Amino acid sequence: DVKVTQSSRYLVKRTGEKVFLECVQDMDHENMFWYRQDPGLGLRLIYFSYDVKMKEKGDIPEGYSVSREKKERFSLILESASTNQTSMYLCASSPGQEKTQYFGPGTRLLVL
Amino acid sequence: GENVEQHPSTLSVQEGDSAVIKCTYSDSASNYFPWYKQELGKRPQLIIDIRSNVGEKKDQRIAVTLNKTAKHFSLHITETQPEDSAVYFCAAPSWDSFNKFYFGSGTKLNVKP
Repeated sequence: DVKVTQSSRYLVKRTGEKVFLECVQDMDHENMFWYRQDPGLGLRLIYFSYDVKMKEKGDIPEGYSVSREKKERFSLILESASTNQTSMYLCASSPGQEKTQYFGPGTRLLVL
Repeated sequence: GENVEQHPSTLSVQEGDSAVIKCTYSDSASNYFPWYKQELGKRPQLIIDIRSNVGEKKDQRIAVTLNKTAKHFSLHITETQPEDSAVYFCAAPSWDSFNKFYFGSGTKLNVKP
């Protein structure tokens, strides 16, 4: 059974802080993704990675960066958190192209 | 980028009735179209997917239809039950990447007992 975990379920940060969200999958999946979920907007892709140290921008990469130093771990970094980054952040992984994505439980981030 | 439109945004049905959710997309490089269900407070999970070499796929009370010419696909749930109440998302592959998917804005389905 695929397991995708995220470091925090809830997080409260101040404007300007550097924020790290971590995601770990235990199924040796090639692809990992970071989405943010906002009411009425669905899931919007921030970044994805198809291999260690490889990454591609999604639709809304501004204000975010990512790191994938190991295959099982994909980190999302908010360099300087802003209030408009308050959202639910979902990590996902998949074994390859055109394959099911498995989601983590989500991190609800509040930036004050 | 890809534009995936999903309708309706909310859907309320009586238990036992059918529910239909529709998605359209602007372009796609791939043949794989998944549907995800997200129950309140939980993570999205795949419920059914379809590849373009077939026009319809069924799994018990759930079916998905795909029309690649018209660029739309639909989710059909028959004999709805209260546990079908959730938010449903369609996803369509990007025109330029087999790894990248664009999600619809979601449909909140409420099945009234």
